[in-house]
Amino acid sequence: QQKVQQSPESLIVPEGGMASLNCTFSDRNSQYFWWYRQHSGEGPKALMSIFSNGDKKEGRFTAHLNKASLYVSLHIKDSQPSDSALYFCAVSLDSNYQLIWGSGTKLIIKP
Amino acid sequence: AQTIHQWPVAEIKAVGSPLSLGCTIKGKSSPNLYWYWQATGGTLQQLFYSITVGQVESVVQLNLSASRPKDDQFILSTEKLLLSHSGFYLCAWSLIQISNERLFFGHGTKLSVL
Repeated sequence: QQKVQQSPESLIVPEGGMASLNCTFSDRNSQYFWWYRQHSGEGPKALMSIFSNGDKKEGRFTAHLNKASLYVSLHIKDSQPSDSALYFCAVSLDSNYQLIWGSGTKLIIKP
Repeated sequence: AQTIHQWPVAEIKAVGSPLSLGCTIKGKSSPNLYWYWQATGGTLQQLFYSITVGQVESVVQLNLSASRPKDDQFILSTEKLLLSHSGFYLCAWSLIQISNERLFFGHGTKLSVL
């Protein structure tokens, strides 16, 4: 059974700083990796996906994937107070209708 | 534009009572639909998914059932609530299988079982 773990549990970053969120997974057959974020009282919203080893940049957000090390990360540059939220890593095997979600990282951006 | 509406926004129910939560998607035909459960501030657990009307697959057994009576409607229900059913219920849709396509979530229903 796939295990997806996130660290740290919570993270405080000053406004304008860099936030780095980590995620490890256990199944080497994992193919698809997503980052979602959830503001309080709302449903999660997809931030970005990464399917190939290496870096993928979208605006202030950069995802990094290393399948051999079973590791995916998300880096947020120039953090804003509106980035304060719960961030989830979600992992899927190929041709599947199921996502396995990590336990989340609570990110707080301090003005 | 596609919209997803969940109802009710919140429910307070007694242990042993029945429950029905609903979800409607407008502006997208034949979406894949999903029900998720989330403990407060916790991870998401997928409960059910549906690819087409009348067809629902269960992912975990939590004494809940789901039905898809119409293309744009997904219902989650149980005849007898347990304390452990408390939490946040989220409905979501995707265009195709969610491996390589993002999920769009509703705002959720907060359920408190007392």
